[in-house]
Amino acid sequence: KQEVTQIPAALSVPEGENLVLNCSFTDSAIYNLQWFRQDPGKGLTSLLLIQSSQREQTSGRLNASLDKSSGRSTLYIAASQPGDSATYLCAVNFGNEKLTFGTGTRLTIIP
Amino acid sequence: DGGITQSPKYLFRKEGQNVTLSCEQNLNHDAMYWYRQDPGQGLRLIYYSQIVNDFQKGDIAEGYSVSREKKESFPLTVTSAQKNPTAFYLCASSISARPINQPQHFGDGTRLSIL
Repeated sequence: KQEVTQIPAALSVPEGENLVLNCSFTDSAIYNLQWFRQDPGKGLTSLLLIQSSQREQTSGRLNASLDKSSGRSTLYIAASQPGDSATYLCAVNFGNEKLTFGTGTRLTIIP
Repeated sequence: DGGITQSPKYLFRKEGQNVTLSCEQNLNHDAMYWYRQDPGQGLRLIYYSQIVNDFQKGDIAEGYSVSREKKESFPLTVTSAQKNPTAFYLCASSISARPINQPQHFGDGTRLSIL
């Protein structure tokens, strides 16, 4: 069964620190992987999309990496700010028309 | 501004009642999706549509129905057959569904509760 796992479920970090969020998936034959941000009571905002042929993608203070062989992706956030507080979701396309989502990591940045 | 509009933001359903959630997009996207989000669970796909007048069941389609009569609209009906409809419903779109190599864009969701 194709599954996506995000551990931990919640993470608190002091403002200004760099941090890493983790995503693991059970099948290395992925098409692409997306990281999303979700604020409470809101929809999802796409942050980064990594194709299977890529190793990483960067946008501002965010860097997402992909290691298909180990079934892992990480989202690195540099110089964290209170506005980064949100739930971060990882979603994988295993080669069909749909995305398989992880349950997310709820990030709190402590001022 | 281009985007996805979901309405209403909050919806209440009585026993035995069908309710319809609206999703409209002005991004000129071909593909549209409906997801259900429950606490502690990832998003689960209900239905998706790759093109007008065509749609496919997702992982949890039982008790739901959809239509795609216009490119910009993809309404979801939660029927009385759905015994546990309380959840946060999210609509999304992407330029195309096959292959998914563009990001999905999401609306702000509809929270459905049972009276």
